[in-house]
Amino acid sequence: DAGVTQSPTHLIKTRGQQVTLRCSPKSGHDTVSWYQQALGQGPQFIFQYYEEEERQRGNFPDRFSGHQFPNYSSELNVNALLLGDSALYLCASSPPGQGITGELFFGEGSRLTVL
Amino acid sequence: GENVEQHPSTLSVQEGDSAVIKCTYSDSASNYFPWYKQELGKRPQLIIDIRSNVGEKKDQRIAVTLNKTAKHFSLHITETQPEDSAVYFCAARSQTGRRALTFGSGTRLQVQP
Repeated sequence: DAGVTQSPTHLIKTRGQQVTLRCSPKSGHDTVSWYQQALGQGPQFIFQYYEEEERQRGNFPDRFSGHQFPNYSSELNVNALLLGDSALYLCASSPPGQGITGELFFGEGSRLTVL
Repeated sequence: GENVEQHPSTLSVQEGDSAVIKCTYSDSASNYFPWYKQELGKRPQLIIDIRSNVGEKKDQRIAVTLNKTAKHFSLHITETQPEDSAVYFCAARSQTGRRALTFGSGTRLQVQP
């Protein structure tokens, strides 16, 4: 049973560019959340997708946007990259009916470096 | 919104000793408190969680306690082993508002053989 998979694992961008990160949830899960983890910090909630709609959002600017597809996979898009966007981006999925209350299963993350 | 503070930021213990990590939260509506372990370069993994209707939960060498009145919860690891070395994160989830997990800043635990 595959867990949460993310791609790419590492990438380097320059300021002002745009990036798309991808996530496939654990089999049987329908809710996907995205977190940003800066070096030495705890993960910070970006947003959560369920039934192809953004359901919850953290304190992140509109440069951060997302999408969920009918197969429950998800994308995180960041426009106009800043140096401060350098971080590990974690995707987490949760089972049906537990999007709000249940355990989160994390992927290994996509490490973004902005130069 | 919810704010979670975690202490200490680093903790070094001798193998076999106990380790305690403490967290406080601000939102009295929070009702779910998980603890995650993150090894270097790896994903955070849930090691134990507690809901607000219980005060303590144990799983082998790991236990979590919750004091709802004081709004703090703690992770206790007994008989520590070198493989317990990692960064540990506490988190809290509120029943109201933005019902996403809010994480603490992490504790780097080093178990000396």
